[in-house]
Amino acid sequence: AQSVTQPDIHITVSEGASLELRCNYSYGATPYLFWYVQSPGQGLQLLLKYFSGDTLVQGIKGFEAEFKRSQSSFNLRKPSVHWSDAAEYFCAVGPPRGAAGNKLTFGGGTRVLVKP
Amino acid sequence: GAVVSQHPSWVICKSGTSVKIECRSLDFQATTMFWYRQFPKQSLMLMATSNEGSKATYEQGVEKDKFLINHASLTLSTLTVTSAHPEDSSFYICSARGDGVTDTQYFGPGTRLTVL
Repeated sequence: AQSVTQPDIHITVSEGASLELRCNYSYGATPYLFWYVQSPGQGLQLLLKYFSGDTLVQGIKGFEAEFKRSQSSFNLRKPSVHWSDAAEYFCAVGPPRGAAGNKLTFGGGTRVLVKP
Repeated sequence: GAVVSQHPSWVICKSGTSVKIECRSLDFQATTMFWYRQFPKQSLMLMATSNEGSKATYEQGVEKDKFLINHASLTLSTLTVTSAHPEDSSFYICSARGDGVTDTQYFGPGTRLTVL
């Protein structure tokens, strides 16, 4: 069965500093990979996604993620964090097109706190 | 593009009553919609998957008679919590996926249900 692990439950970072959120997955094949962000009391907003091709993916709000097949990882990065980036971040995996089912499996989330 | 709305954004009801939550895809046709439940400071738990015009598929442990899902059109799915009890209080989030949006789920803003 597929699984997603986000090892860091909380991360505190100073405004202007870089941020990296880790995501490791277990899946039988290369899945579709997603990062979502959730502000308190809100739904999830898609930051970026990887389906195939270039393993470095650019997303919205200055975020990028790199798919590393050998490490089964899809880490999210941002070079300079803004106070508005304080939120909960979820990594998710889904089956590639053509595979049975279309459900996402979510990681446990990483809460990012930004210090002024 | 790919906007999903939910209504209401919050609802308070008495124990024993039923509550209906609507999920709409505003600018695309959602062949599949998903309903999630999220407890405080936790990840999303998939409750059910619904395809337009067919019965929903419920995840193990989710009571289909308590959580009624209807996906009557390509832009609307509803979740009805029947005979709600305080333990049903939670944050409910829907997502929608259409064939034209490359296997990506787009999430609604969520509905906060409080059962007194």
